[in-house]
Amino acid sequence: EPEVTQTPSHQVTQMGQEVILRCVPISNHLYFYWYRQILGQKVEFLVSFYNNEISEKSEIFDDQFSVERPDGSNFTLKIRSTKLEDSAMYFCASRWSERGTEAFFGQGTRLTVV
Amino acid sequence: GENVEQHPSTLSVQEGDSAVIKCTYSDSASNYFPWYKQELGKRPQLIIDIRSNVGEKKDQRIAVTLNKTAKHFSLHITETQPEDSAVYFCAASKRGGKLIFGQGTELSVKP
Repeated sequence: EPEVTQTPSHQVTQMGQEVILRCVPISNHLYFYWYRQILGQKVEFLVSFYNNEISEKSEIFDDQFSVERPDGSNFTLKIRSTKLEDSAMYFCASRWSERGTEAFFGQGTRLTVV
Repeated sequence: GENVEQHPSTLSVQEGDSAVIKCTYSDSASNYFPWYKQELGKRPQLIIDIRSNVGEKKDQRIAVTLNKTAKHFSLHITETQPEDSAVYFCAASKRGGKLIFGQGTELSVKP
């Protein structure tokens, strides 16, 4: 069964450092998303990406965040200068359609900012 | 703004009993309502979903109901088993595809 894969599974970084989280969505999917989940809290939407551009972003997704699809398979989330409050689980998800279809989640990257 | 409220935050039932989790959404344009099960440290896993043109959907021990007028949808798990213990999230989505999640319900099924 196809699945969304994320790397790394766990990343520890110093405050102020840049991090790049990587995702490989399911190959025939067209819509890509990043979500985050602070420990013990709900899953929060960060950004959606379609046709090589951001289609929507949340208030959380400020200038420190960026996304890119550098080739036909990878989808990356970059945090330019990490803060302690960026510590969370980051999930990538993909869907083949925006309308009423299942979103497949990756296994997540646990980001710890120290 | 877009919001999904979920209740209760914790739910404890005896094995074999039923569990009901309720959600309310704010955006009337929402048309897709999935439910996810999340075990500790793992990804959310879709367990059932319903689209706005359907009032009820069932899959074995799991059912979901949708009341579009009230902007309310519920998850029903019958004959609960210890392995049903997890955090359950409801979500709502409209055209554009982003999911707005509820706060989660920690379900504990006691043997």
